[in-house]
Amino acid sequence: AQSVTQLDSQVPVFEEAPVELRCNYSSSVSVYLFWYVQYPNQGLQLLLKYLSGSTLVKGINGFEAEFNKSQTSFHLRKPSVHISDTAEYFCAVSTPYNTDKLIFGTGTRLQVFP
Amino acid sequence: DADVTQTPRNRITKTGKRIMLECSQTKGHDRMYWYRQDPGLGLRLIYYSFDVKDINKGEISDGYSVSRQAQAKFSLSLESAIPNQTALYFCATSDRRVYNEQFFGPGTRLTVL
Repeated sequence: AQSVTQLDSQVPVFEEAPVELRCNYSSSVSVYLFWYVQYPNQGLQLLLKYLSGSTLVKGINGFEAEFNKSQTSFHLRKPSVHISDTAEYFCAVSTPYNTDKLIFGTGTRLQVFP
Repeated sequence: DADVTQTPRNRITKTGKRIMLECSQTKGHDRMYWYRQDPGLGLRLIYYSFDVKDINKGEISDGYSVSRQAQAKFSLSLESAIPNQTALYFCATSDRRVYNEQFFGPGTRLTVL
């Protein structure tokens, strides 16, 4: 079975500062990895995904994530955050053998202060 | 116009009542999902459907049932609501040709008193 751990439930940061949201996964088979963002009072939308190939994945709104197989991590980064990045961020995992079952982490709330 | 819509957006009900949450999509996707979101627990899959005749239980299906009335419509029912079903419910869709890019509706906030 797969699992996802997001160790930081909240990350406060000032505007224009860099940010990293951590995600670690557990799986005995190969994985697909995803980051979703949930803005206040909205559904989730896909930020980026890793299926194969380059381990550095670029997504929307200037976010990127790096797949590290040896450390079983898929941390999300942005070099300079904006107030509008305030949201909840979810890491998720699935496998090539069961692509429809997304296992979500518990989420990290990013709060950007002016 | 939203591609995935959910009705109602908010609902307060009493223990023991039957509740139906509805989801419609205009994306033309074949796959649809129901999740519940609880603070500190993330999203958990309740049911999913590959097409009208293919419905599958997810991680937490007990106490819920679903109906796929058409490719574009997927309803979630709580036959006898209980307080621990108070949560935010999301419908999502995906295209079988695009691995796990799920598109979410805006959510239904359900409170069971």
